[in-house]
Order: sequence, then C-alpha cells, then structure tokens
Amino acid sequence: GAVVSQHPSWVICKSGTSVKIECRSLDFQATTMFWYRQFPKQSLMLMATSNEGSKATYEQGVEKDKFLINHASLTLSTLTVTSAHPEDSSFYICSARETVPVTDTQYFGPGTRLTVL
Amino acid sequence: RKEVEQDPGPFNVPEGATVAFNCTYSNSASQSFFWYRQDCRKEPKLLMSVYSSGNEDGRFTAQLNRASQYISLLIRDSKLSDSATYLCVVNIREGSGNTPLVFGKGTRLSVIA
Repeated sequence: GAVVSQHPSWVICKSGTSVKIECRSLDFQATTMFWYRQFPKQSLMLMATSNEGSKATYEQGVEKDKFLINHASLTLSTLTVTSAHPEDSSFYICSARETVPVTDTQYFGPGTRLTVL
Repeated sequence: RKEVEQDPGPFNVPEGATVAFNCTYSNSASQSFFWYRQDCRKEPKLLMSVYSSGNEDGRFTAQLNRASQYISLLIRDSKLSDSATYLCVVNIREGSGNTPLVFGKGTRLSVIA
C-alpha cells in the first residue's frame, strides 16, 4: 500500500514554543491530506482538511490561527502548533488520499506524539 | 447522537475464540465503510473495507446492513497478535470526494493465552 511519513515521531517542548509537524506521501500524490488529533482513550478527531494550493478547511472548534496548515506541494503538508500549551499535548496523525485513482482509502502517517511541558 | 458508535469493550477472549464487534452509524448518506486496527500508541491501519455483500479476508469477516445502518466484524480463531483496538470507520462522500473519514471510538480486544 501507499506510504505516508510523519516527522518528527515525537517531540517535547516548553510551553509557548511552536512545533512544526511534516506529513509526506512518499510514493503517491495527495491533493488532499487530513490532520487528526487523538487524546488518550479517545477516538481520532478530525482537525482540518488540507488541500494543495488552497486554504485548509478547519473543523468547528479548531483555531486556525493556532494550528497553521500549509500544503505547498502534492506530497507535503505541514501542521504548526503555535504557542503550544500543555493542553495541546496529544497524538497528531495525518492521512492522505491518493489523487489518482480517486478512492476513499486513506493512508495514515505513523503519528507525532507531542508533549508540552 | 454520535455519528459512529461502538461498544468500547474491552473484550477479553482466550486464544482460538471467535469474537464479533458491532458498529452503528447515524448518517444514511454514508457510502464507504471500513474496519481499521490501531495498536497502542500507533496510527490506525486499514484492516478491511466492508461491502454490502459481505466480505471475508482469512479469519476476518465483515458485514454491512445498510437498512439498519449496522456494520460488524467477526474474528475467528483469535490469535494473541489480534489484540488491538478495532475502529469502525465510515465515509460520507460528497461532491469533490474530499470528505474525511469518521471514526468510532474503537473496541478494545485482548486475546489471552
């Protein structure tokens, strides 16, 4: 199957700093990528839909100025958590859907575990 | 009402047992259905898609009942390695098709030796 990578795998940072997470589709092009967040023992919650060359679409309750998304190419989307606080500590997972063929299958990255002290 | 509902478990079963998970979804416009598996502290991985005719992949059988908006997963001859959280997932494809997946909270399975 298609491969999606995420970097970094985990990060620990101080409160107030910004953290950038990269999501790459390695062997396919992805016009659309999705960013999810998962708190312990909770389900994945969609944060935003990232579209190549246009603005991301954020889910209700997700602050677009805090979670900056850039989808500059067909293989890379980035999520920047700005001025991170302890409540932002979570497991952030991206997924990508192949541009061609158009299917409903999404391929997930391995996730990034963020801990804000 | 939650969009995708699952019994959270945990289901603790002995090796070799047969176990079934159920899932209901609320949006009748849902068009695609999946079971994903998620191991602790890992990303979800696609286990199988679910089709109206039902489908089988080795020890795993998935069923879909559109009228009842109900999806099931049956695991036969459970292995220790089947221990994981099983996520019921639906997709409501609209227009451009850029719709995300909607996840249930997952059902935790522990297979015991």
